Amino acid sequence: GQNIDQPTEMTATEGAIVQINCTYQTSGFNGLFWYQQHAGEAPTFLSYNVLDGLEEKGRFSSFLSRSKGYSYLLLKELQMKDSASYLCAVSPFNTDKLIFGTGTRLQVFP
Amino acid sequence: EAGVTQFPSHSVIEKGQTVTLRCDPISGHDNLYWYRRVMGKEIKFLLHFVKESKQDESGMPNNRFLAERTGGTYSTLKVQPAELEDSGVYFCASSQAEAAGIELFFGSGTQLSVL
Repeated sequence: GQNIDQPTEMTATEGAIVQINCTYQTSGFNGLFWYQQHAGEAPTFLSYNVLDGLEEKGRFSSFLSRSKGYSYLLLKELQMKDSASYLCAVSPFNTDKLIFGTGTRLQVFP
Repeated sequence: EAGVTQFPSHSVIEKGQTVTLRCDPISGHDNLYWYRRVMGKEIKFLLHFVKESKQDESGMPNNRFLAERTGGTYSTLKVQPAELEDSGVYFCASSQAEAAGIELFFGSGTQLSVL
């Protein structure tokens, strides 16, 4: 099965950099995903890692190490609107479904 | 382009009643998924349609839950009879045929409260 662990809550200051970690135990997966969810809204896709390494997309980057069972989402130049929950998820082999972690609630303060 | 829409946004029912949730995916998206988030827990997969066919229904909790996608467009998820533990947020998501399991577009969810 898959166990996905993320910190429950994090806080950071506007303009700073924050790293949200995700560790997982899984027998194998197609890819690792990060989604953002503002309170009461739909989760929205942020990034997708298949291979080890860093994927950069503007202020957001995501890193994957399959050998270490570890991923992180890096948010730079934090803005108040980045306050949201960040969900780590994996897609197991031979399926199209996502297995989610419980999410990390990030609060950005001025 | 309209996103994934879900109706109703909120539903409050009594234990034993029936509720039907509706999801309209993004036009042209063959893949349609239902997920559920029970309070304090992670979002969990319920099932996956490809057009009108059930591709994977391994996450459906029990036979009180029935999902349909007649015609391969919108989908409904019926809970009959509802139990207290069915309370939660039910999310629908869709994706293009060639992006199955990759970029999912989620709706805002239906908050179901069973009293």
